[in-house]
Amino acid sequence: GESVGLHLPTLSVQEGDNSIINCAYSNSASDYFIWYKQESGKGPQFIIDIRSNMDKRQGQRVTVLLNKTVKHLSLQIAATQPGDSAVYFCADRNTGTASKLTFGTGTRLQVTL
Amino acid sequence: KAGVTQTPRYLIKTRGQQVTLSCSPISGHRSVSWYQQTPGQGLQFLFEYFSETQRNKGNFPGRFSGRQFSNSRSEMNVSTLELGDSALYLCASSLDRGSGELFFGEGSRLTVL
Repeated sequence: GESVGLHLPTLSVQEGDNSIINCAYSNSASDYFIWYKQESGKGPQFIIDIRSNMDKRQGQRVTVLLNKTVKHLSLQIAATQPGDSAVYFCADRNTGTASKLTFGTGTRLQVTL
Repeated sequence: KAGVTQTPRYLIKTRGQQVTLSCSPISGHRSVSWYQQTPGQGLQFLFEYFSETQRNKGNFPGRFSGRQFSNSRSEMNVSTLELGDSALYLCASSLDRGSGELFFGEGSRLTVL
């Protein structure tokens, strides 16, 4: 993911709408990508992952899209709920570096009623 | 199954002191990695341990060190604390090296005065 940022971009979405959170990464050698959700006062929580040999993966209410050509990753959340309000981080891993993840700066998702 | 446990959750130190943080991974997980989270720098990789050996290290000064015990529990130490070391220190465990999903603890919030 992009390194370093002082300001957290914020995405405001109405309850029930779909959310799309975007992330750019810079390392062409990344072979694995993950999305994490972090609520206030808690550690990051795994949402969904995707390997570089895929371009789409779906989970429960979430879909991750990977575009290796432009080094772009997106997380789509269907029917956004108030409980989805949190900071979302993308992370990537360089091939062969096991647990060393590079995290993006994060996007704050605010769900309005 | 218990999650990743970090202690202490909160601590306050003064400049020049040293601190030791502890992490108990999920039962059966053998890989432990540490991350530092600050508002300015985001989430940054510190180091990874597997089979009691440091396998990867991030770009942090030698004041930051760690170790892993035979039961996979891990500790990290920061010596000669500086104001800039104030951060949330997160521990993450995974089943094996490169197994993908990292499970994070709630973190240890360190404040250096």
